[in-house]
Amino acid sequence: EDQVTQSPEALRLQEGESSSLNCSYTVSGLRGLFWYRQDPGKGPEFLFTLYSAGEEKEKERLKATLTKKESFLHITAPKPEDSATYLCAVCGGSNYKLTFGKGTLLTVNP
Amino acid sequence: NAGVTQTPKFQVLKTGQSMTLQCAQDMNHNSMYWYRQDPGMGLRLIYYSASEGTTDKGEVPNGYNVSRLNKREFSLRLESAAPSQTSVYFCASSGTGKITLHFGNGTRLTVT
Repeated sequence: EDQVTQSPEALRLQEGESSSLNCSYTVSGLRGLFWYRQDPGKGPEFLFTLYSAGEEKEKERLKATLTKKESFLHITAPKPEDSATYLCAVCGGSNYKLTFGKGTLLTVNP
Repeated sequence: NAGVTQTPKFQVLKTGQSMTLQCAQDMNHNSMYWYRQDPGMGLRLIYYSASEGTTDKGEVPNGYNVSRLNKREFSLRLESAAPSQTSVYFCASSGTGKITLHFGNGTRLTVT
């Protein structure tokens, strides 16, 4: 059974204070690891897909990295508009079903 | 681009009442999914449809039924609502051979 654990559950940063969110996973045959952003009252919004260990992807102030056991979402010089819940998910085996973690609630104070 | 549209946005039911949550996508995606999101539980898959005419159970299917009406539409039905079904329900879709999900903005359901 695929499992995803995200840490910390909540993170409060000052504007400009860089940090990282962690996603640890166990999966049989990783087909993809996903990062989503979710704003209050909205559905998850796709950010990145990582397929193999060593892969990195960037978008504005966000950078996602992947190892065989975990993924990190690095946030560089965050702004208040980066405040959201960040979800990690994995897809493994031969199916198309994603298993999600519980998310990290990020708050960036001005 | 509308993407994935869910109706209604909010609903309050009494225990035992029935209702259908509607979902439609305009991205010509083959696969569609229903998830529920509860505090402290994360997103959990209820049912999915890999293609038109097929449906399969996910992690938490009990108390729900689904219908893949056509390629665009995938509905979720609660035959006899229970307070444990109070949740936020998200519909999602993905393209052929793709595993990236595109989500709607959810239906917030309260069962009293």
